[in-house]
Amino acid sequence: EVKLVQSGAEVRRPGESLKISCKGSGYSFTSYWIGWVRQMPGKGLEWMGAIYAGDSDTRYSPSFQGQVTISVDTSINTAYLEWSSLKASDTAKYFCSRQSGAGDYWGQGTLITVSS
Amino acid sequence: EIVLTQSPGTLSLSPGERATLSCRASQNVPGTYLAWYQQRPGQAPRLLIYGASSRATGVPDRFSGTGSGTDFTLTISRLVPEDSAMYYCQQYGSSPETFGQGTKVEIK
Repeated sequence: EVKLVQSGAEVRRPGESLKISCKGSGYSFTSYWIGWVRQMPGKGLEWMGAIYAGDSDTRYSPSFQGQVTISVDTSINTAYLEWSSLKASDTAKYFCSRQSGAGDYWGQGTLITVSS
Repeated sequence: EIVLTQSPGTLSLSPGERATLSCRASQNVPGTYLAWYQQRPGQAPRLLIYGASSRATGVPDRFSGTGSGTDFTLTISRLVPEDSAMYYCQQYGSSPETFGQGTKVEIK
């Protein structure tokens, strides 16, 4: 069974760093892209970027380029989304998905709250 | 960047009725790489349709997708209460991938 399991909810202060994770199982992890999607409170879905787990080729939406870093550790079948300096506007739920073209399997989402 | 515009914003229909959701792209979607997702409150998105017209595994056949180029449609042929959700289209043929703003389907 294909599963993507994300790390738990986080509360951080503005300016702090954060790395959240997405662990894949039940499939050949290095044969697929993993994408990240933001959903701000009460809003729609925004594609942030994606990484090909096989060679770490990474693509970012211009809206998120330079704001986050996407990485992968194939030894533990895990993809990451990282911020070096959080802002209050980063408060949102973040989803990872396995992309076989479209996102066919999704993680449960990680809620990030940034507040002073 | 390809901008996707969904209409209507909200659709309020009764069980058994047909729902027709539209997704219009600002430019041609390469390869007909257009997907539709369902998202219920508090849940992750669920893939319904990929390649504009192919149903994902386990999706009931009352969901169907059509279209090419810049105009795409998701049809739910006979609504049931569990179809109450947000529906998003996404193009994945051109980077950056983009989503429409969503259509809310309400069941009366």
